[in-house]
Amino acid sequence: NAGVTQTPKFQVLKTGQSMTLQCAQDMNHNSMYWYRQDPGMGLRLIYYSASEGTTDKGEVPNGYNVSRLNKREFSLRLESAAPSQTSVYFCASSEFGEEQYFGPGTRLTVT
Amino acid sequence: GDSVTQMEGPVTLSEEAFLTINCTYTATGYPSLFWYVQYPGEGLQLLLKATKADDKGSNKGFEATYRKETTSFHLEKGSVQVSDSAVYFCALGGGSNYKLTFGKGTLLTVNP
Repeated sequence: NAGVTQTPKFQVLKTGQSMTLQCAQDMNHNSMYWYRQDPGMGLRLIYYSASEGTTDKGEVPNGYNVSRLNKREFSLRLESAAPSQTSVYFCASSEFGEEQYFGPGTRLTVT
Repeated sequence: GDSVTQMEGPVTLSEEAFLTINCTYTATGYPSLFWYVQYPGEGLQLLLKATKADDKGSNKGFEATYRKETTSFHLEKGSVQVSDSAVYFCALGGGSNYKLTFGKGTLLTVNP
């Protein structure tokens, strides 16, 4: 069991470029989440998908879009990256409100 | 709305010292409570959880008791090790609420 995997691990973008962060889980969980982590801010929820076929905004959705591709995969897209989106991004999954399992993170720098 | 307040860090201790990291919460209903740990450069890992009042979660020598009367879930360990150096997050959620609400994290450094 790989658990939750994320690609890429590191990425540097220029302002205005776009990219997609990929996340996959092999635990057959129904719910998946995207967070960002910034110094002194803890974790903030960007978007989540309670079950396959649904997505909802979290605390900080502006500038992001998501796609729940199937039960395993949940991607996060930055259409036009901004320096304020420099952060560490974590994907997580859970089974309907139980504890969440996190991936190793993607460290994104926007210059 | 739901919220979690945990003690601000950083916390610096010597090896074998006693650890307490305070966590209090505000929530409607009866949430589950969690402690997560994040080692440098890694994602968050579940350390322990409690799903109802008076439950005690425990793992790797860490303990926390779900206290409904004081709305608290303080993390304790009797004797910390250098390898416990990490950031610790308190969180609430579970049940019909799919989302977790996290505290801001407490950085613990344990010196030999």
